[in-house]
Amino acid sequence: GDSVTQMEGPVTLSEEAFLTINCTYTATGYPSLFWYVQYPGEGLQLLLKATKADDKGSNKGFEATYRKETTSFHLEKGSVQVSDSAVYFCALSDRRGSQGNLIFGKGTKLSVKP
Amino acid sequence: EPEVTQTPSHQVTQMGQEVILRCVPISNHLYFYWYRQILGQKVEFLVSFYNNEISEKSEIFDDQFSVERPDGSNFTLKIRSTKLEDSAMYFCASRGLADYNEQFFGPGTRLTVL
Repeated sequence: GDSVTQMEGPVTLSEEAFLTINCTYTATGYPSLFWYVQYPGEGLQLLLKATKADDKGSNKGFEATYRKETTSFHLEKGSVQVSDSAVYFCALSDRRGSQGNLIFGKGTKLSVKP
Repeated sequence: EPEVTQTPSHQVTQMGQEVILRCVPISNHLYFYWYRQILGQKVEFLVSFYNNEISEKSEIFDDQFSVERPDGSNFTLKIRSTKLEDSAMYFCASRGLADYNEQFFGPGTRLTVL
């Protein structure tokens, strides 16, 4: 079945460092891809999304490009801030007859030190 | 800004007891979901609900689980006879009518089964 694999965390960076969190997926169809973020004590929030190959999602300085050839959707940010400390989840939604149910990766915890 | 709310934030119960987790989705949303996350593992889809009936469910969602929208605002998840392995964070989500709209998540209920 469809699945998402994320790099293991935790990831600890200094403020202003470059961030990459790897995400690859397995899907038989043409899924939509998402990054969700969970700040401490809060629910999951959509960070960005891409619905077809070569789309780039971006929000709050974060970017991810839907790469069909490598089945990847890596999250990047050029300069992280302490406020970016959170758990990041990569997810896909298979379009085939579903109600948009999300399949998540395990999550990657990011800690940014001042 | 409208948000999904969940109560309680933490529920502790004895094995074999029934629990009801409550969610209030965003008021004009039509699709409702439950997900769970066992500590250290992936966020897993449990069930989706549309037009007052279950539209899709996962293998996890066995006869011990049920969902209900009793009054047009609440959306509940009931576990009839809890097991130790039901201990997890349970997330409710809702989304609007258009396909692949963002799913809005609640903050979660942490269920601890002793």
